[in-house]
Amino acid sequence: QVQLQESGPGLVKPSETLSLTCTVSGVSVSTYYWGWIRLPPGKGLEWIGFRSYSGSNSGTANCNPSLKSRVAISIDTSRNQFSLKLSSMTAADTAVYYCAKNNQGSLDYWGQGALVTVSS
Amino acid sequence: DVVLTQSPLSLHVTLGQPASISCRSSQSLVHNDGNIYLNWFQQRPGQSPRRLIYKVSNRDSGVPDRFSGSGSGTDFTLKISRVEAEDVGAYYCMQGSLWPYTFGQGTKLEIK
Repeated sequence: QVQLQESGPGLVKPSETLSLTCTVSGVSVSTYYWGWIRLPPGKGLEWIGFRSYSGSNSGTANCNPSLKSRVAISIDTSRNQFSLKLSSMTAADTAVYYCAKNNQGSLDYWGQGALVTVSS
Repeated sequence: DVVLTQSPLSLHVTLGQPASISCRSSQSLVHNDGNIYLNWFQQRPGQSPRRLIYKVSNRDSGVPDRFSGSGSGTDFTLKISRVEAEDVGAYYCMQGSLWPYTFGQGTKLEIK
């Protein structure tokens, strides 16, 4: 059974970098694509980006153009995890962050979500 | 970017009655491979999203058959034949045909 679980700080200061990790069980992260999505309060779901693993972590990464300059997504096959780094955080980045398995233009498995608040 | 417009944004439905949500795309969602990667997700209060439908009309395992998806090109619909109390929550369409993938604004379903 495929399961995903986000972990990371619940509070980030403005201008700092958010680091979140998604631990995957039931399937290897060296297969498929793995993505991050967020849900800001009172708003709808927003894609952040996704990537695949292709040796030396050089697989293709696709990031939302609106966030691209601030986003980095990496995959650690030794721990069966993938991670998100989002730099220069502002209050507008406050949201519930979800990790998900991306399979053929769809998201078939999701984590439970991690609430991240940006505040000093 | 592809804009997905859902309507209505809010639904109040009597138990046992049908419900329908529209998702209209700003451009064709036919992928280069000929498939249409249009998905529907349900998000119950306090839970993470759950996929109900993929590639327009394919229902996920465990999803009740009262949920169905249809459509083509730029016009898609999620139907619930008989609404039950557990269907309360938000429903989102999402396209995975063109990058960046995008979601509709969401439709909130409540029981009347």
